[in-house]
Amino acid sequence: DTEVTQTPKHLVMGMTNKKSLKCEQHMGHRAMYWYKQKAKKPPELMFVYSYEKLSINESVPSRFSPECPNSSLLNLHLHALQPEDSALYLCASSYRLADYNEQFFGPGTRLTVL
Amino acid sequence: AQKVTQAQTEISVVEKEDVTLDCVYETRDTTYYLFWYKQPPSGELVFLIRRNSFDEQNEISGRYSWNFQKSTSSFNFTITASQVVDSAVYFCALSEAPGNQFYFGTGTSLTVIP
Repeated sequence: DTEVTQTPKHLVMGMTNKKSLKCEQHMGHRAMYWYKQKAKKPPELMFVYSYEKLSINESVPSRFSPECPNSSLLNLHLHALQPEDSALYLCASSYRLADYNEQFFGPGTRLTVL
Repeated sequence: AQKVTQAQTEISVVEKEDVTLDCVYETRDTTYYLFWYKQPPSGELVFLIRRNSFDEQNEISGRYSWNFQKSTSSFNFTITASQVVDSAVYFCALSEAPGNQFYFGTGTSLTVIP
């Protein structure tokens, strides 16, 4: 299994809603990532988890809250988002953070904030 | 300063033409890795290749080939006999020690016209 899955595929939410994005991989990877990608731009790193511990937080607003319940699962909890947070949210995983491993990406969640 | 530069924003070619996507990087590290990813309209970034800084051998995989030249800090990607399915945005990325963080270029949008 060389796949990273993400749910939901599309999400529309209001600014007062609370929602969560889910990411799963079963490749035994111990590093997992959240990226945000706006149209016609490269992915921007948000968070990195290594062995289920938050390793990197790229100064992301607190309305985005990551969680790594186990080595296969990564969540991104969303609360009080702004319309400018509308983007494609990509999850990725790699074998280990300390190495130069390629990252495998999921198909993303297209988020629209109204 | 931009660590990875993809000067070609958009390229259009007619099917069966060859096309080269340029990537220039900047780093002071002696150990680093370079990557190419393909992002079709569906959104998922697909890993294409990883190359370390000590291996300057060119690589060929089917219709894809990569030319790594440390002297010019370039890692160019050529698609031979392009096909419509090659239409996508292609990202070049750099990974320096430590932490496996990726520095993405701004991407090149390739359109192959039938």
